[in-house]
Amino acid sequence: GAVVSQHPSWVICKSGTSVKIECRSLDFQATTMFWYRQFPKQSLMLMATSNEGSKATYEQGVEKDKFLINHASLTLSTLTVTSAHPEDSSFYICSSRGSAYEQYFGPGTRLTVT
Amino acid sequence: DAKTTQPPSMDCAEGRAANLPCNHSTISGNEYVYWYRQIHSQGPQYIIHGLKNNETNEMASLIITEDRKSSTLILPHATLRDTAVYYCIVRGPNNDMRFGAGTRLTVKP
Repeated sequence: GAVVSQHPSWVICKSGTSVKIECRSLDFQATTMFWYRQFPKQSLMLMATSNEGSKATYEQGVEKDKFLINHASLTLSTLTVTSAHPEDSSFYICSSRGSAYEQYFGPGTRLTVT
Repeated sequence: DAKTTQPPSMDCAEGRAANLPCNHSTISGNEYVYWYRQIHSQGPQYIIHGLKNNETNEMASLIITEDRKSSTLILPHATLRDTAVYYCIVRGPNNDMRFGAGTRLTVKP
C-alpha cells in the first residue's frame, strides 16, 4: 500500500511553546489529508480535513487558531499546535486520500507537553 | 454520517478464523464500508473495503449482507500478530473516516 510518513515520531515540548508536525504522502499525490488525535485507550477523533491550496475544515470543538493546518502541496500537510498545554498531549495521526477509494494513515506522532 | 456498531472485544484461537461483525444500519446506497486495524501505538492499517459485493484480498475477506446493514470481516487463519483493535468505518460524503470504538481482537495461543 501507499506510504504516509509523519515527522517527528515523538516530541516533548514545554508548556506554552508551539510544535509543528509534518505529514507526507511519499508515493502519491494527496488532494485531501485528514488530521486525527487519539488519547490513551480511546479511538481516533477527526480534528480537521485539509485540502491542498485551501483552508482546512475543522470539526466542531476543535480550535482552528490553536491547531494550525497548512496543506501547501499535494504531498505535504503540517499541523502546528500553538501554545501547547499538557492537555494537548496526545497521539496525532494524519491520513492521505489518494484515489477515490484509497486512504492511508501515517504512523502517528506522540506529543508530550510538560 | 452513517454510524457503526461493533462488539468491544473478541477472542480467537490462533490458527482459527476470526469473524468480526459490524452493524451499519443507516448506511446510504453509495457509501463504502472500510475496515482498518490499529496495533498499539501505531497508525491504522488498511485491511479491506467494499460497497455491495463480498471482497477478498491477501489479508481478509469482507462479507456484506444483501441489505448492506451489516458486514463481517473474516481473518481466515488468525495469528498472534493479528491481535489489534479493528475498526469498521462507513466513509462519509466528504470522504472522511470517522472511527467508532472498534473491536479489540485478542488472538490466543
